[in-house]
Amino acid sequence: QSALTQPRSVSGSPGQSVTISCTGISGDVGNFNFVSWYQQHPGRAPKLIIYDVSRRPSGVPDRFSGSKSGNTASLTISGLHGEDEADYYCCSYAGRYIMVLGGGTKLTVL
Amino acid sequence: EVQLVQSGAEVKKPGESLKISCKGSGYSFTSYWIGWVRQMPGKGLEWMAFFSPGNSDARYSPSFQGQVTISADKSARTAYLQWISLKASDTAIYYCARLVGGQIGGFFDSWGQGTLVTVSS
Repeated sequence: QSALTQPRSVSGSPGQSVTISCTGISGDVGNFNFVSWYQQHPGRAPKLIIYDVSRRPSGVPDRFSGSKSGNTASLTISGLHGEDEADYYCCSYAGRYIMVLGGGTKLTVL
Repeated sequence: EVQLVQSGAEVKKPGESLKISCKGSGYSFTSYWIGWVRQMPGKGLEWMAFFSPGNSDARYSPSFQGQVTISADKSARTAYLQWISLKASDTAIYYCARLVGGQIGGFFDSWGQGTLVTVSS
């Protein structure tokens, strides 16, 4: 099972919006509404920020939103804050009890 | 509060065996699968496997099948990740995480702090 494809890096200024894409195939992202996103700051454990494509856990700001179209899922961060600078990973169910993760995207807040 | 506390850093030689642990608290340990995720130095996250402490069922990523063994002790509320013969390429941080939603479409809502495993001669 190949990893999901994410851009290696994105950037934006405080207050701006950025979108991180996550491209899979019809067997994973395209076939299931089981996409989640994780935020990881350097030296820290990952943190869940989106699950089931677009649901936010309690405590996650509504600046974070998720969506999906076809084989591509997206994470949008609106009104960037400095503390949003981190690595972001998408994840999808891929059938047959398999989970697949993306390669990760480094977000830089300029 | 859900907490997963992992065992401490390990330094091992190639060929040695190792078992690291992940102790859960603040929730019904047998009601949720536990997953393991690898992060090699400077690299991304890789899903390794899930384990159900409730019925001892296990699911492995094809990339890790046969390379590691996962298990759990219900009475100790602890999950384990085990190697029989370590390789230098096993050097990584290993995270455990609680899987919500089960083995079909679940997501990791709580994570351990990670265990750094260093394999070097």
